Amino acid sequence: QKEVEQNSGPLSVPEGAIASLNCTYSDRGSQSFFWYRQYSGKSPELIMFIYSNGDKEDGRFTAQLNKASQYVSLLIRDSQPSDSATYLCAVNVANDYKLSFGAGTTVTVRA
Amino acid sequence: GAVVSQHPSWVICKSGTSVKIECRSLDFQATTMFWYRQFPKQSLMLMATSNEGSKATYEQGVEKDKFLINHASLTLSTLTVTSAHPEDSSFYICSAQTGRGNSPLHFGNGTRLTVT
Repeated sequence: QKEVEQNSGPLSVPEGAIASLNCTYSDRGSQSFFWYRQYSGKSPELIMFIYSNGDKEDGRFTAQLNKASQYVSLLIRDSQPSDSATYLCAVNVANDYKLSFGAGTTVTVRA
Repeated sequence: GAVVSQHPSWVICKSGTSVKIECRSLDFQATTMFWYRQFPKQSLMLMATSNEGSKATYEQGVEKDKFLINHASLTLSTLTVTSAHPEDSSFYICSAQTGRGNSPLHFGNGTRLTVT
């Protein structure tokens, strides 16, 4: 089993809709969870991080964490064409500061 | 804040030559930096953890003699790809944390290496 798994996509949503991205992880000891956005040919940029169960909102982005179920999700509200990118879920390796990345979900927002 | 600068952004070299990539934290000190490699349409793979003032820690399967890492100061880490081969062509990205423990990683802009 991979340490971090994401729905592979691609995910296509119309402009203005909500894009929902899911991520599951295998290590119950993981404590830190991150979402990165990566445009084609560019390096990842941090979108959100979450450490506690529940929801965390930042602008149009909401991260949701459920440690009992070992999943973390990202919602993008009012999706814009500029949100079209690959979204990477990253989880820390328990008792370590290293991050393990999922394969990414490619999102396309249709104008 | 939390700017990580990486240079060069792209490089083309011939087989057998060496290439050095620099990673700098511009507005913070980074005792630890991380080097990743990404092949097309694949996710990031951690190559090594660069520790200021000590030897780098390499992930399994990464040749330490081929990918030389030097973390000479709190703001600079370098990755040298020695005796490059076409299969080393990839997107190399460095990253650093602003704090310790579980603080987020901030990435440099990456270096696209093409070995001919």
